[in-house]
Amino acid sequence: GAGVSQSPSNKVTEKGKDVELRCDPISGHTALYWYRQRLGQGLEFLIYFQGNSAPDKSGLPSDRFSAERTGESVSTLTIQRTQQEDSAVYLCASSLSGSFTDTQYFGPGTRLTVL
Amino acid sequence: KQEVTQIPAALSVPEGENLVLNCSFTDSAIYNLQWFRQDPGKGLTSLLLIQSSQREQTSGRLNASLDKSSGRSTLYIAASQPGDSATYLCAVRPRGDTGRRALTFGSGTRLQVQP
Repeated sequence: GAGVSQSPSNKVTEKGKDVELRCDPISGHTALYWYRQRLGQGLEFLIYFQGNSAPDKSGLPSDRFSAERTGESVSTLTIQRTQQEDSAVYLCASSLSGSFTDTQYFGPGTRLTVL
Repeated sequence: KQEVTQIPAALSVPEGENLVLNCSFTDSAIYNLQWFRQDPGKGLTSLLLIQSSQREQTSGRLNASLDKSSGRSTLYIAASQPGDSATYLCAVRPRGDTGRRALTFGSGTRLQVQP
């Protein structure tokens, strides 16, 4: 079946503009995660959605970052007033139930460049 | 706070060699440890997931071990091939952070297998 998809694959924006990144999880997966990967570094957790529960936003680096998810489908990550330090690859992952033992399946990522 | 370290940061070997990638983590309270492969523009592919109660997992030419008490894992790749060239990421699911299902990642080992 189809894996996790993300769009756009690349986004170049000017400092101060808002951007919206999209993630389509694997069908039937109730858990969805957003991570950020800066150049040469590991992935940093941003936010986690599980079904209709309140999201875990503890990884969001500032109030310029927000994310939404409609039910158990598409999620959007919005970055307002982008800064150069926001440049990174933004990765989305989904898992079947959010159980601690579940495997997370990752999308190809969106490479964001803030000029 | 859980920290994950991967050594070496980069590795270049001739085709056919057996090799070992190392991962260490500071807090042994984990649910599981996962090894991923990251190819440019293709996101992360899960290779092996070892639950905290397990000592190792094998898949084809790959073998991952886990020593939870010492905070270490190794990924062994037998008879390396040029197609194995990629960045290998190690990630743990911390046990103490019950509100979060996210993984904590290392910075990765960049592997190049020379033909």
